[in-house]
Amino acid sequence: DVVMTQTPLSLSVTPGQPASISCKSSQSLLHSDGKTYLYWYLQKSGQPPQLLIYELSNRFSGVPDRFSGSGSGTDFTLKISRVEAEDVGFYYCMQTLHPPPTFGGGTKVEIK
Amino acid sequence: QVQLQQSGPGLVRPSQTLSLTCAISGDSVSNNRATWNWIRQFPSRGLEWLGRTYFRSKWYNDYAPSVRSRITVNPDTSKNQFSLQLTSVTPEDTAVYYCVRDGYWGFWGQGTTVTVSS
Repeated sequence: DVVMTQTPLSLSVTPGQPASISCKSSQSLLHSDGKTYLYWYLQKSGQPPQLLIYELSNRFSGVPDRFSGSGSGTDFTLKISRVEAEDVGFYYCMQTLHPPPTFGGGTKVEIK
Repeated sequence: QVQLQQSGPGLVRPSQTLSLTCAISGDSVSNNRATWNWIRQFPSRGLEWLGRTYFRSKWYNDYAPSVRSRITVNPDTSKNQFSLQLTSVTPEDTAVYYCVRDGYWGFWGQGTTVTVSS
């Protein structure tokens, strides 16, 4: 299975400041169709994971534009341009190119 | 907008069978461009994909090796839903179980907390 490694484990951010989370995969997530099958989720307390970014850099419906995804091959980044209080929770990356789908271990984001 | 509504018991006795159902609205379980998945999240917060069912002229299933001998995922076209059965459960199967549609992977059920305990 593809191993997804997220860093850091936790992040404490001042509101209005940027934040960045890294995700590395053990195999390339670039498909021959040109798409990169890497997803980002935010899980708030007591809720299912909510999709933020699909296929590397596409914001899902309703996701604020302060969230952005980037990277290539095996190295990926989720950036929050200006963290807000509602952004607290656990962030996960997921790959679906190589079955079975696998997830990173998660990054906890909290507000200072 | 796809919506997934889960149902099933939250407590299962060891060695018994865990059974959950996921009712679909806004899509069809027979959609030949979708797959219908089960994912679980352990108390440690780790996420594990368990299996899926999908229709491509006929029905197919795929399962995670870790549970392959114990899992069945079935569609129910008459009710537009799909189910998860996991047999011979142990306390290590205690987790929150989610049904999920692929594609954008943006549509998740609300989750069912399943505790395996006597």
